[in-house]
Amino acid sequence: AQKITQTQPGMFVQEKEAVTLDCTYDTSDPSYGLFWYKQPSSGEMIFLIYQGSYDQQNATEGRYSLNFQKARKSANLVISASQLGDSAMYFCAMREVPPPDGTASKLTFGTGTRLQVTL
Amino acid sequence: DTAVSQTPKYLVTQMGNDKSIKCEQNLGHDTMYWYKQDSKKFLKIMFSYNNKELIINETVPNRFSPKSPDKAHLNLHINSLELGDSAVYFCASSQRLAGGPSTQYFGPGTRLTVL
Repeated sequence: AQKITQTQPGMFVQEKEAVTLDCTYDTSDPSYGLFWYKQPSSGEMIFLIYQGSYDQQNATEGRYSLNFQKARKSANLVISASQLGDSAMYFCAMREVPPPDGTASKLTFGTGTRLQVTL
Repeated sequence: DTAVSQTPKYLVTQMGNDKSIKCEQNLGHDTMYWYKQDSKKFLKIMFSYNNKELIINETVPNRFSPKSPDKAHLNLHINSLELGDSAVYFCASSQRLAGGPSTQYFGPGTRLTVL
């Protein structure tokens, strides 16, 4: 069974600083996908970034980058130049290997990290 | 130009009632999902449909019944509501792409409160 662990229930970071949110995972599948989502206080789930298990390069999307260390089974999210609007819950998630016909695959989520950006 | 929409956004009801939540996506995706987020913010898959066919059915009480009239819509009907059903329910959709991420995009959520 797949498992995602986010060990930081809460984090503080000063505006304009960088912050790393930790995520470790456990799977026996050789092929998987890792995702980060942001949930602001308004409640919606916003997709941030994706890393495939076979991707050679770490994923980057604007101020977001994913520090993917496959051997350690970690997929930490790095947010550079933090902004007040980055204050939110952040969820790491893993997608299991799709069925042979590739129709659907569920996301398994971690428990989330609440990030607070301060002045 | 909302991608994944859900109605209603808030739903307050009495124990024992039956209620439905509707979801629509205009992304042209072929797969849709229902997730439940509990009071501790933990998100868990409930169901998934692909082209109107039920693909994933996690351990969910029979009182929950999804229905997909077409691939752009996935509704969730809940019978005999219980206090423990209080949660935020998220609809999501994705498109299967060979070798691609098949990223799931979420709706705004429906906060269900059972009194």
